Amino acid sequence: NAGVTQTPKFQVLKTGQSMTLQCAQDMNHEYMSWYRQDPGMGLRLIHYSVGAGITDQGEVPNGYNVSRSTTEDFPLRLLSAAPSQTSVYFCASSHLGRAATNEKLFFGSGTQLSVL
Amino acid sequence: KQEVTQIPAALSVPEGENLVLNCSFTDSAIYNLQWFRQDPGKGLTSLLLIQSSQREQTSGRLNASLDKSSGRSTLYIAASQPGDSATYLCAVSRELIQGAQKLVFGQGTGLTINP
Repeated sequence: NAGVTQTPKFQVLKTGQSMTLQCAQDMNHEYMSWYRQDPGMGLRLIHYSVGAGITDQGEVPNGYNVSRSTTEDFPLRLLSAAPSQTSVYFCASSHLGRAATNEKLFFGSGTQLSVL
Repeated sequence: KQEVTQIPAALSVPEGENLVLNCSFTDSAIYNLQWFRQDPGKGLTSLLLIQSSQREQTSGRLNASLDKSSGRSTLYIAASQPGDSATYLCAVSRELIQGAQKLVFGQGTGLTINP
């Protein structure tokens, strides 16, 4: 009963390095999304996807890329890490449907990223 | 722009008390409102979801209400227990595309239940 799995749990990068945060879900959810959580800012939407091959920007997309080649996976790429990207990143997923307002969002346990 | 505010930012009460957490939002055009629980170092767990057409939802000792006209929601926790200690987040949603939801979160209320 894995749910939403994020790896790694912790990561330290130097400014300018690139990396990919992994997210996988085993609930056959169509909708997947990435949020970042910062002190005093709450959680903010970075990117989201409503299915394989379909992605779009959220509230704070700059500096991040995403792709969705399968239903299960939704990786988040940092192309050139900056100290401002130090944060806790959460992946979340849910079903889409006719009664989409009923769908609870399931969250992963997060990746704590520090950029030095 | 939707803004969500949670008051108080932190709350400490003795075990057994009933308590209320507050959430307010600025735009009443929401699809639903959700309350989440977040434990340190963990992800978010959805506690209750109230559709925009509903007034309240209950799960065990938890009851959440929604008043869209005033832009307010409350989470009522009955007979609090030390295991209820966590951060509680309120989030309102709007539709993106194809039924996908964008959630706007409050900053949370950190709750401590003292034995």
